[in-house]
Amino acid sequence: DTEVTQTPKHLVMGMTNKKSLKCEQHMGHRAMYWYKQKAKKPPELMFVYSYEKLSINESVPSRFSPECPNSSLLNLHLHALQPEDSALYLCASSLGNPQGGEKLFFGSGTQLSVL
Amino acid sequence: GENVEQHPSTLSVQEGDSAVIKCTYSDSASNYFPWYKQELGKGPQLIIDIRSNVGEKKDQRIAVTLNKTAKHFSLHITETQPEDSAVYFCAASNGGGSYIPTFGRGTSLIVHP
Repeated sequence: DTEVTQTPKHLVMGMTNKKSLKCEQHMGHRAMYWYKQKAKKPPELMFVYSYEKLSINESVPSRFSPECPNSSLLNLHLHALQPEDSALYLCASSLGNPQGGEKLFFGSGTQLSVL
Repeated sequence: GENVEQHPSTLSVQEGDSAVIKCTYSDSASNYFPWYKQELGKGPQLIIDIRSNVGEKKDQRIAVTLNKTAKHFSLHITETQPEDSAVYFCAASNGGGSYIPTFGRGTSLIVHP
């Protein structure tokens, strides 16, 4: 299994809602990532978990809250989002052995619209 | 930090032609250079990568070349097909503290039948 599975594929939420994005991989990867991607732009790193510990937080607003319950699962909890947070949210995973560079495996993403 | 420049931003070719996308990087410590292809409605997928101890790598119709001295690397696609139409991102990273890849801005490749 070489897939990263993200749910839901699409999400529409109001600014007062609370929702969660989910990501799952069964490749034995120990690093997991959240990226945000706006149309026609490259993915923008938000968070990195390495061996289930948050290792990188790219100064993301607190209305985004990541969680890594175990080595296969990654969640992104959303609360009080703004319309400018509308984007494609991508989850990725990699082996977690950064020496020599890491191949990232991306999911198909969650297309989020904030009204 | 690392800075990756990618050109062109859009590339339009006829089916069967070759396509070349070029990237430059700034950090001489970078040693791993992957290329990702992103089709509409999907996440980026790794299509080929190269490490700094290799000058060229091929996989069927796709090849990547690396010039460490000039700090640039290129993606070459031969005999393009309509299904090659997508956005392509180059990236650069190094082992150790900065293993997170820095992406180029992307190239939208359009292959006309």
